[in-house]
Amino acid sequence: AQTVTQSQPEMSVQEAETVTLSCTYDTSESNYYLFWYKQPPSRQMILVIRQEAYKQQNATENRFSVNFQKAAKSFSLKISDSQLGDTAMYFCAFMSPYNQGGKLIFGQGTELSVKP
Amino acid sequence: DVKVTQSSRYLVKRTGEKVFLECVQDMDHENMFWYRQDPGLGLRLIYFSYDVKMKEKGDIPEGYSVSREKKERFSLILESASTNQTSMYLCASTVTGTGASYEQYFGPGTRLTVT
Repeated sequence: AQTVTQSQPEMSVQEAETVTLSCTYDTSESNYYLFWYKQPPSRQMILVIRQEAYKQQNATENRFSVNFQKAAKSFSLKISDSQLGDTAMYFCAFMSPYNQGGKLIFGQGTELSVKP
Repeated sequence: DVKVTQSSRYLVKRTGEKVFLECVQDMDHENMFWYRQDPGLGLRLIYFSYDVKMKEKGDIPEGYSVSREKKERFSLILESASTNQTSMYLCASTVTGTGASYEQYFGPGTRLTVT
């Protein structure tokens, strides 16, 4: 079975600093997709960044980047120059294109607080 | 802009009541999902649908049913609400297939309290 684990229930960072959120997953497949979603206090879940497993290059979206280690089955999220608006729950998620319907498997979440 | 809406942000129901949670998407997506979110457990899939009138059980379907009569609408039904169904419920939709991003688009969530 495919699983996703986020081992950091809570983290905090000072404004303008860098923070890394950890995620590990387990799968026997070679082709899959990984996502980081953000859920701010407003509760609206939005996509932060997406990585395709067959791509070697780590995905980057402005201040957000990932460290994708396929052999280690690790997918960490780095947030640079943290802003107060980054305060949110962050979820790591796995998707196999071989699973019907494109369903996501989520980790437990990491609650990030950015302090002024 | 992609939009997924849910019928209620907050809902309070009594034990034993039949509860309907409605979700509508305007993106013509084939696939729709219902998740339950609980602290420390992340999001867990209750049911999903990959086409009109088609449904598949997720990881925690017990106590729930779903209905998809139209492509844009996916309903979650609690036949007889129980206190252990107090939770946040999130609806999502996506499109799959060649060239798809597989990004799921989420509604704002319904916080259901069963007393």
